[in-house]
Amino acid sequence: GAVVSQHPSRVICKSGTSVKIECRSLDFQATTMFWYRQFPKQSLMLMATSNEGSKATYEQGVEKDKFLINHASLTLSTLTVTSAHPEDSSFYICSATGGANTDTQYFGPGTRLTVL
Amino acid sequence: DAKTTQPTSMDCAEGRAANLPCNHSTISGNEYVYWYRQIHSQGPQYIIHGLKNNETNEMASLIITEDRKSSTLILPHATLRDTAVYYCIVREGYQKVTFGTGTKLQVIP
Repeated sequence: GAVVSQHPSRVICKSGTSVKIECRSLDFQATTMFWYRQFPKQSLMLMATSNEGSKATYEQGVEKDKFLINHASLTLSTLTVTSAHPEDSSFYICSATGGANTDTQYFGPGTRLTVL
Repeated sequence: DAKTTQPTSMDCAEGRAANLPCNHSTISGNEYVYWYRQIHSQGPQYIIHGLKNNETNEMASLIITEDRKSSTLILPHATLRDTAVYYCIVREGYQKVTFGTGTKLQVIP
């Protein structure tokens, strides 16, 4: 149990376009979802926390108008990178809590974004 | 402020036990010790967590000292697939997971 999926697994886009990444909890209802990003050879950095039906809480330094998060249901959260630029190229990873171990965060496999 | 301290890297021979230490001297009474690992280019994988007592599951064992200021993750028979970065995290149940730099474990044939 406690499986989290992401789609797509990798995406390449042109500078200035927007990209949407989906995060789904497959076998549990996720009360809270988290979005992280990871640059090469660095650790994961939390971007934002979202609860179903409410606005996301962004970490300091993360632009909320650039990284749009929607948590429309208890099994789906989306991250949209708007007007992407090469510096947004990164590994984006979501996680969710609410499984059998209700406080344990389970992570998705990640999405590799490359902006040309 | 870093809540945990881990060695930067460790090597372990295949088939032997891998013992990964973690210091968390400022841990509070309500904070759990969690372990995750990240295999290259994948999302972190939950391994195990505990509060006070030692814990064991199909993946690993977690040994927490009596004063809770340190812990050790034990992979009983390391395989090449266990090569990964291992993260020790302390948090209360409702808190978000914050990652440090972890320990890069290299399992050697």
